[in-house]
Amino acid sequence: EVQLLESGGGLVQPGGSLRLSCAASGFTFSSYPMTWVRQAPGKGLEWVSGISAGTTFYADPVKGRFTISRDNSKNTLYLQMNSLRVDDTAVYYCARRYGDRNDYWGQGTLVTVSS
Amino acid sequence: DIVMTQAPDSLAVSLGERATINCKSSQSVIHSSNSKNYLAWYQQKPGQPPKSLIYWASTRESGVPDRFSGSGSGTDFTLTISSLQAEDVAVYYCQQYLITPITFGPGTKVDIK
Repeated sequence: EVQLLESGGGLVQPGGSLRLSCAASGFTFSSYPMTWVRQAPGKGLEWVSGISAGTTFYADPVKGRFTISRDNSKNTLYLQMNSLRVDDTAVYYCARRYGDRNDYWGQGTLVTVSS
Repeated sequence: DIVMTQAPDSLAVSLGERATINCKSSQSVIHSSNSKNYLAWYQQKPGQPPKSLIYWASTRESGVPDRFSGSGSGTDFTLTISSLQAEDVAVYYCQQYLITPITFGPGTKVDIK
């Protein structure tokens, strides 16, 4: 069974940093591109970043502040978030990419940026 | 960026009746190499992550009930729930995955009338 488990969320002050992790199991992690998607409270879905065969992609609002990476030996996806802003407050989901769409999603981890 | 719009914002349908959600992209989401529509539909129930329902505009994910169907091509797409069930109450999102940034529609909330 495919499972994705995010962790690392929490409360951080504006300008601070957090690193999110997504532990994957039930599939050959190294074979799949992966994605981070976020959802601000009461709002819709927003694609944040993706990683595919070593190539990384970012949404404009996070470019230069967030870094996506993966450790295939640990079956784990990461999102390093620096210079956090209040409008980065959201639930962050990791999702597997298969056939280019996101076929499996984790339960999400809440990031709150507030002073 | 490809802008995705959805209509309506919300709808209420009686149990057993048909629900139809429309999605429009600001440019075609057909990939030139394979002629596939890079369009997916997701269902999100309260307090849960999104769940993939439909990809390539009309292919159902394994295990998704056949009352869910997707149609359309190019820039105009439709998600149809042929006979609404209580467990279908959710917000539905379309997504284009042709080019980055990958973009989602704003969502359509489906309720029981």
